[in-house]
Amino acid sequence: EAGVVQSPRYKIIEKKQPVAFWCNPISGHNTLYWYRQNLGQGPELLIRYENEEAVDDSQLPKDRFSAERLKGVDSTLKIQPAELGDSAVYLCASSLDYRGLEQFFGPGTRLTVL
Amino acid sequence: GEDVEQSLFLSVREGDSSVINCTYTDSSSTYLYWYKQEPGAGLQLLTYIFSNMDMKQDQRLTVLLNKKDKHLSLRIADTQTGDSAIYFCAETFTGGGNKLTFGTGTQLKVEL
Repeated sequence: EAGVVQSPRYKIIEKKQPVAFWCNPISGHNTLYWYRQNLGQGPELLIRYENEEAVDDSQLPKDRFSAERLKGVDSTLKIQPAELGDSAVYLCASSLDYRGLEQFFGPGTRLTVL
Repeated sequence: GEDVEQSLFLSVREGDSSVINCTYTDSSSTYLYWYKQEPGAGLQLLTYIFSNMDMKQDQRLTVLLNKKDKHLSLRIADTQTGDSAIYFCAETFTGGGNKLTFGTGTQLKVEL
């Protein structure tokens, strides 16, 4: 069974540029999460989707971050414009349903903003 | 709010047991988790325990939960070099949906 797929694995951009991350969850998993992991820290939730609906986006900086999960499968997380402080690893995870006892993580996208 | 703390570093010899500790503040924790992260990789779920349980064993892994002291530990028996990684404890809590709140991680180094 394929795990959570993310791309790209690495991205280097200059500040003020836009950037997008893509996630394909495990087949059949209705719940999808985006986390941000700063260096030396544990991941922090940015947004959670139940199918197409964003049910928890309280930690998403909405002035520059946006996300979508069209058709309730793949998801895209966008930053526009990127700032130096956005450098981090962006992790996507999925779980079978909203109870989410087991969340499975992708390898992440490491973003460096210069 | 919820807060999860871990010691930053642990070094053990191959073959010894490792014990990684975690403390949390939220008394409404529902499930507590242990994840493993190897360099450049995502997080791998190792095990989890319901907050009403005291202990869970899975092969080389033993999880102990002291709910009164809000203390969680992960014991790895017969630690191998492949166990070298960063270990995160995490919790979900009542009213938080299934949002995971992670600790800062403990880097385990296994020496020959």
